[in-house]
Amino acid sequence: AQSVTQPDIHITVSEGASLELRCNYSYGATPYLFWYVQSPGQGLQLLLKYFSGDTLVQGIKGFEAEFKRSQSSFNLRKPSVHWSDAAEYFCAVGAGDMRFGAGTRLTVKP
Amino acid sequence: EAGVVQSPRYKIIEKKQPVAFWCNPISGHNTLYWYLQNLGQGPELLIRYENEEAVDDSQLPKDRFSAERLKGVDSTLKIQPAELGDSAVYLCASSLGEARLGDEQFFGPGTRLTVL
Repeated sequence: AQSVTQPDIHITVSEGASLELRCNYSYGATPYLFWYVQSPGQGLQLLLKYFSGDTLVQGIKGFEAEFKRSQSSFNLRKPSVHWSDAAEYFCAVGAGDMRFGAGTRLTVKP
Repeated sequence: EAGVVQSPRYKIIEKKQPVAFWCNPISGHNTLYWYLQNLGQGPELLIRYENEEAVDDSQLPKDRFSAERLKGVDSTLKIQPAELGDSAVYLCASSLGEARLGDEQFFGPGTRLTVL
């Protein structure tokens, strides 16, 4: 069965510092992989997705993610974090039967 | 373009009472999803519609939960009777094409249900 693990429940970074959020998945075939962001009181917004092809995917708001099949990982990165990036981040795998991880809460220090 | 609309945004009820949530997807989107999001967790799929057909309701607790999507547009999710453990955020999402194609899902702001 497909599943997603986000090992970090909460991460704090300083504004301007780099960010990496971890995501590991379990899936029987080549997965569809997604990263969503959820701000308080808001719906989830898609940051980026991977279906096939180039394993480095560019998304909105300066985020990117790299698919590594050998490590079953799809980590999200951003070179320089802004205070407005503080939110909850969810990794997801699948399509119609999409499974979400438990999320990583990002706090940004001034 | 209007996004996915959900109402009410908040609902507080006593246990054993019925409750209903309404969702209006983005115009032209054929696929509609209802998710349950518990505090500190990611969303979990309850039911998925392709047009007006429920194609995946395996995670919907059918003894108390029901859903419908009239004319393949708006959808209603109902709980009757509600239990304390149903307190959560109920999210609606829609996508243009079939779910298996991995089309982007657009989420509404959710309905936060509190059962007392």
